Amino acid sequence: DAKTTQPPSMDCAEGRAANLPCNHSTISGNEYVYWYRQIHSQGPQYIIHGLKNNETNEMASLIITEDRKSSTLILPHATLRDTAVYYCIVRVREYSSASKIIFGSGTRLSIRP
Amino acid sequence: NAGVTQTPKFQVLKTGQSMTLQCAQDMNHEYMSWYRQDPGMGLRLIHYSVGAGITDQGEVPNGYNVSRSTTEDFPLRLLSAAPSQTSVYFCASSYLAESYEQYFGPGTRLTVT
Repeated sequence: DAKTTQPPSMDCAEGRAANLPCNHSTISGNEYVYWYRQIHSQGPQYIIHGLKNNETNEMASLIITEDRKSSTLILPHATLRDTAVYYCIVRVREYSSASKIIFGSGTRLSIRP
Repeated sequence: NAGVTQTPKFQVLKTGQSMTLQCAQDMNHEYMSWYRQDPGMGLRLIHYSVGAGITDQGEVPNGYNVSRSTTEDFPLRLLSAAPSQTSVYFCASSYLAESYEQYFGPGTRLTVT
């Protein structure tokens, strides 16, 4: 079973920041938070990951709370091409049976013009 | 690099038929996996492999077989297709099992009548 909880859907105006929340209250100390997205009918695409510090790359920022029980993915200037299902995943980094990626239901993000 | 390729893109089977979904990657990745995605749902892990000659079961392995004779290829076999196996199948690969980014193929849409 997925170890994360996400709202089923959200919408955001084009050009605004999209903030996608994720709850992972049972996360273990060695588990990372990963975000993937799936644009309609395509394979999922990796976005970003983090352990406890906030992370930023060219696609997004990841904010993880101090207790690590929740996180937020931020798309700073959403465009219509960001319309997708966003998956928040927790997994360990070292190889074990727990390192496989388990997807939940995700959040369907709609960007309105 | 072609990345992760999957064939065929579409397939229709009758109940009881068998077939093999092909997956190949040219990135010298050790880790490969198969997921299925039913309409409106997240991806579920079927089988995975951490290297040539090594495979293991995921969340929903029943009705599927895999083998990994080379690093590049990871075929998924349906032994006796059932309507419940109607789904979109995605293959993914990463350098190692614990690598943070998995690369997904474009998917195979399978219908079993």
